[in-house]
Amino acid sequence: RKEVEQDPGPFNVPEGATVAFNCTYSNSASQSFFWYRQDCRKEPKLLMSVYSSGNEDGRFTAQLNRASQYISLLIRDSKLSDSATYLCVVNPTGANNLFFGTGTRLTVIP
Amino acid sequence: GAGVSQSPSNKVTEKGKDVELRCDPISGHTALYWYRQSLGQGLEFLIYFQGNSAPDKSGLPSDRFSAERTGGSVSTLTIQRTQQEDSAVYLCASSSPGMNTEAFFGQGTRLTVV
Repeated sequence: RKEVEQDPGPFNVPEGATVAFNCTYSNSASQSFFWYRQDCRKEPKLLMSVYSSGNEDGRFTAQLNRASQYISLLIRDSKLSDSATYLCVVNPTGANNLFFGTGTRLTVIP
Repeated sequence: GAGVSQSPSNKVTEKGKDVELRCDPISGHTALYWYRQSLGQGLEFLIYFQGNSAPDKSGLPSDRFSAERTGGSVSTLTIQRTQQEDSAVYLCASSSPGMNTEAFFGQGTRLTVV
């Protein structure tokens, strides 16, 4: 079983829509969680960390559900510039070893 | 430099040749990761270093792949007797000690085996 699993998509949504991605992880002892964004032919970059209490950054909200072992990313009022691949990242042991999901591709359509 | 630096940025090599890819992490980052990404695919984990040691080599796809890290800094990924299926972007990332720390990526080396 993979450490991290994501729906690869693609998700095609109109501008202004709200879209949510989920990601499941297999190791219940996982300590830290992140969402990364990867634009076409670019390297991944941190979008936001995911905290136990949930956190929000502008139009982006990240949540963690430890009981069900998933994290989510919600994007409100989608912009064309949000089109990218979103990668879920989990630290399964707290030992600085990061596992990336395969990513969910989002396309925001005018 | 301020970020993770990888070289070369592009490499075209003939099938059967050896290649060496270099990663220069952010100063002070003890953790270093190698991934590869084929066109349109997700990140495939290759190897992880903590300092100079590699506690997790499970992702190396074959014995043609090896990696080392010296002085807790620069890492090289070597692919021997390259095959066409080795063509991909090889990404390196580093992170500082401790939990909940962000991993920073280099811009990658695009390897093409012809």
